[in-house]
Parts: sequence; C-alpha cells; structure tokens
Amino acid sequence: KNQVEQSPQSLIILEGKNCTLQCNYTVSPFSNLRWYKQDTGRGPVSLTIMTFSENTKSNGRYTATLDADTKQSSLHITASQLSDSASYICVVSANQGGKLIFGQGTELSVKP
Amino acid sequence: EPEVTQTPSHQVTQMGQEVILRCVPISNHLYFYWYRQILGQKVEFLVSFYNNEISEKSEIFDDQFSVERPDGSNFTLKIRSTKLEDSAMYFCASSVAGSFYNEQFFGPGTRLTVL
Repeated sequence: KNQVEQSPQSLIILEGKNCTLQCNYTVSPFSNLRWYKQDTGRGPVSLTIMTFSENTKSNGRYTATLDADTKQSSLHITASQLSDSASYICVVSANQGGKLIFGQGTELSVKP
Repeated sequence: EPEVTQTPSHQVTQMGQEVILRCVPISNHLYFYWYRQILGQKVEFLVSFYNNEISEKSEIFDDQFSVERPDGSNFTLKIRSTKLEDSAMYFCASSVAGSFYNEQFFGPGTRLTVL
C-alpha cells in the first residue's frame, strides 16, 4: 500500500533555531517527492520538488534531501522565524498523472 | 501572481442535501484536481480531470460525487446527497499540462460542514 509517514508529529522550537523534519515513503512507482507548507485553514503551498535523481534542493531557508534507495527525505529549516509556524507535509507523486499521496504532516511551532 | 480560488469558503448543509463546491483554476492550467482533508487527518486525493474527463479517481470518489467544467473557467465538485462523514476541507488544485514535475497549485479550500 502506498504510504507516506512523517516524524515528528509536532515540534516546538525557538525563533532563530534550526530544525529537521523526516519523511519515509513506500510509494511505487515513484515519480517525485514534494514538501508543502500548510498554514492553518489554508491550502498547501509547494516548497520543493525532487525527482529520484536529485539528492538535495533548496528554497531559501528550506533545504530538502532525498535518498531514493532508502526512501527517506528530510526538510531542514534554518534560522527559523515565527512565520514558519505551520504544518509541513511530505507528498509523493506515484506517476506524472498527478495523484499525490500525502503524509500526515509535522506541526511546527516557532516560539519567540 | 495568479492563484486558484474557491467558493464558498465555508458551506453548511443538512445531511442528504446536494452541494456544489466551485473552483477557478489558474487560467493556463489544463489539469484539475480535488482533494479533501477531514479535520485532523491527511489530505486525500479525490479525482483528477483533464480534457473534459476524469483521468483518475480514488475509492472515496463514489457515485455520490461528480465533477464538471461547465465553462472555460470554473471547475466544480458536486456531492449529490451529503453524509455526515463528508464534513471536511475540500481543496481544488490545478497544474500546467506537460509539466514533468506536475506542480500543483492549491486553492484556499472550502470547509464543508454537514449537519
């Protein structure tokens, strides 16, 4: 069964600190892996997209890594800001047709 | 910057009633999707739509659901006879045809409450 699992479920960090979120997936066939940021009551917003041949991709303070052999990904956030407080969702696309398989998200809270 | 819009933002309905959720995808996008998120749970794929027909649907998308692109701009999700368990946030998304990454842009969602 295609699944995406994330850890931790929730995380609290102080403003300015770094953090790393984890994602494991069992999706086949694999097309690409995305990280989305979802603010409460809003739609997900794409942060990064990686195919199996890409090991790392950055978007500002966000850096995603992908190990297609172990089927693991991480999202590293540097110098966190209060506005980073949101749910971060790992999403895998099984094919180019578009169906996305979502993880349950990591709820990040950045405190002053 | 172009964005996906959805109306209404919140819909309250009685069980058994029909509801239509509306979406305006980004204008040059040709692939359209509906997802739902029950409170506290994962976002789940419902259906994808291209060239005026369904290209893929999930087990959730049963005969009670239908999608339509009634004109050149709107994309709708109809639930014929709502159940309590249909209460969720419904997200519309769209993507550009032919994109390898198939990056999907999501709307802000419609919160459906079935009483």
